[in-house]
Amino acid sequence: ETGVTQTPRHLVMGMTNKKSLKCEQHLGHNAMYWYKQSAKKPLELMFVYSLEERVENNSVPSRFSPECPNSSHLFLHLHTLQPEDSALYLCASSQGPGWETQYFGPGTRLLVL
Amino acid sequence: AQSVTQPDIHITVSEGASLELRCNYSYGATPYLFWYVQSPGQGLQLLLKYFSGDTLVQGIKGFEAEFKRSQSSFNLRKPSVHWSDAAEYFCAVVGSILTGGGNKLTFGTGTQLKVEL
Repeated sequence: ETGVTQTPRHLVMGMTNKKSLKCEQHLGHNAMYWYKQSAKKPLELMFVYSLEERVENNSVPSRFSPECPNSSHLFLHLHTLQPEDSALYLCASSQGPGWETQYFGPGTRLLVL
Repeated sequence: AQSVTQPDIHITVSEGASLELRCNYSYGATPYLFWYVQSPGQGLQLLLKYFSGDTLVQGIKGFEAEFKRSQSSFNLRKPSVHWSDAAEYFCAVVGSILTGGGNKLTFGTGTQLKVEL
C-alpha cells in the first residue's frame, strides 16, 4: 500500500467513549501531522511530530491525545469528546520537519453524539 | 502570523471554460505556497507548489499558478475545465519553522468548484 492511509474512515462515538484514530505513512517520511477540518472553517493544525518527538501542540484540548510510536505510525486517542469535535480528521506526512511538501491521507470522518 | 484568503467560496463554470481561483496571502518573508484539491470524502491532493524561481508553476491535471509578489497573490488557473475538476480547492502557505522543527501550513477556507455540463 502506498501513500498515507487512515483508519477508520468513518467513526461514530458517544461522548463517554474512548476511541483511537490511526495513520500510517508508507513514504519513508520523518514528520507527521494531525489536522482538523470542520465545515466552513480552515484546516486547523493540531499536532506535529518530527522523528517521533512532538514539536507542536496547537492549543488542543487534552481530550485529544496523540501518540507516535515510530516514524511510520501516528495515533490520535479520543476520550470524552464533545459534539463540536465532530469533523474530518486528516493525517499528513512530510520528508522532514522543514519546508517539505506535506502529503495527506483520506481522513477519518468523526461524528460525536 | 501568516494568513491566506480565498475570496470566492463557490465558483461555477461550464465545462471547457477557463478557470481562475483567487488566493491572497499575508506573510512577512518570501512564502512557500501550495494549492491542494479535495474531492468529496477524500483527503487533500497536492496540485502544485511554489518555493522559488519561475513565478509561473505548472502542476498536475493541467493546472498552473502564478506567484505575484506585488499583489501577494497566488492564483490558480486552468485553460479548459473538465467535469472531473469539480472539487474543493485550498490555497496554503508555509509559515515560520517552529522551534524544534515542523513546518506549519496555513490554509485558506477553500473554494468549492462546480462544473456545469
